[in-house]
Amino acid sequence: AQSVTQPDIHITVSEGASLELRCNYSYGATPYLFWYVQSPGQGLQLLLKYFSGDTLVQGIKGFEAEFKRSQSSFNLRKPSVHWSDAAEYFCAVGAPPGGFKTIFGAGTRLFVKA
Amino acid sequence: GAVVSQHPSWVICKSGTSVKIECRSLDFQATTMFWYRQFPKQSLMLMATSNEGSKATYEQGVEKDKFLINHASLTLSTLTVTSAHPEDSSFYICSAATSGAEETQYFGPGTRLLVL
Repeated sequence: AQSVTQPDIHITVSEGASLELRCNYSYGATPYLFWYVQSPGQGLQLLLKYFSGDTLVQGIKGFEAEFKRSQSSFNLRKPSVHWSDAAEYFCAVGAPPGGFKTIFGAGTRLFVKA
Repeated sequence: GAVVSQHPSWVICKSGTSVKIECRSLDFQATTMFWYRQFPKQSLMLMATSNEGSKATYEQGVEKDKFLINHASLTLSTLTVTSAHPEDSSFYICSAATSGAEETQYFGPGTRLLVL
């Protein structure tokens, strides 16, 4: 069965430090992968997505993610975190046209300390 | 990027009343829209998939008579919580999916429902 695992419930990093949020998935074929960010009381904003091609994907707000098929991972990274990055981050395995429904991970809460 | 709006952003209602939430794709046509429910500090739970011009497909455990979904056009889907009760209080989020080879969901800002 398809699934998405975000091993870290919450992470705290210092402002200016680098960030990596982990995401592992289980899917029988090459998945469509997404990272979304949710600020408190808000909907989800798409940060980046991977469908095919270059396995290093650039997104908005300075985020990037790398698809590693051998590790079934799609980790999100940012070289220097800003206080405004504090939010909840969701990894998702998406639905190819006519495919299965999007499955979301449980989310990772990012705290940024000054 | 694509923009999805929801209205209202928050609503407080009395127990037993019905509440309608609108979801609109503002700059693209969405043949498919999704309705999610999110409990505090939890991930999104898919409630139903809404296709324009046809009946919505509900997830297991979601009461279709309680959560009425109408996808009247390619840019509008509505969720009506009928005879709302306090346990229906939650954060409801819709998304609209672009079509084509790289289908992507774009999410609305959510609607906070509080049933007293």
